[in-house]
Amino acid sequence: QEQVVESGGGLVKPGGSLTLSCAASGFTFRDRYMSWIRQAPGKGLELVSYISISGTYTKYADSVRGRFTVSRDNTKNILYLQMNSLGVEDTAIYFCARVDPEIRGHDFWGPGTLVTVAS
Amino acid sequence: SHELTQSPSMSVSPGQTARITCSGAALPKQYAYWYQHKPGQAPVVVISKDNERPSGVPERYSGSTSGTIATLTISGVQAEDEADYYCQSTDSSGSFFVFGSGTKVSVL
Repeated sequence: QEQVVESGGGLVKPGGSLTLSCAASGFTFRDRYMSWIRQAPGKGLELVSYISISGTYTKYADSVRGRFTVSRDNTKNILYLQMNSLGVEDTAIYFCARVDPEIRGHDFWGPGTLVTVAS
Repeated sequence: SHELTQSPSMSVSPGQTARITCSGAALPKQYAYWYQHKPGQAPVVVISKDNERPSGVPERYSGSTSGTIATLTISGVQAEDEADYYCQSTDSSGSFFVFGSGTKVSVL
């Protein structure tokens, strides 16, 4: 069955770094764009980044551009999010989501992983 | 940039109809998606591409668009429908995904 599972969240100090992973199974990972979406406490959903099937095309929210890097390994079926210079405003649940074939929405999400930035 | 506006909350009694709206300038040209999100769970798409209901989503969920307004309708609301609902579209160029602020639906 189709599944995406995030990992790598945790507590990190301001200014620190963290790398999230999203392991995909049950579908042809290399054929689908993928996104990272986050939800800060008490807030709504926010697109963080997305990546094309080959990894050559990426997009970032203004709030993370220059600090976060999205990548993928199509041989291992894993999506990554490298997060640097973390601030308290980056505290959120981070979801991995599969982009639909039309690249207009998301048709499948993971349960998320919590990132807490605090001293 | 492209913003999507949703009302923050609504309450509905079981069996009634809930209509959740999403307003955005690019909606006449871009698809609207709707996601149901319950605390501690993965969001689930309930409507794709304005009005398509994915497999496994109950028939009481439907979507429509008119001009700059997209609407998610839940007919015959059930207790299990209590959740946050988010609309999502793309900016006018189609290159960035944008989410509405979410509507919390409470079932009385």
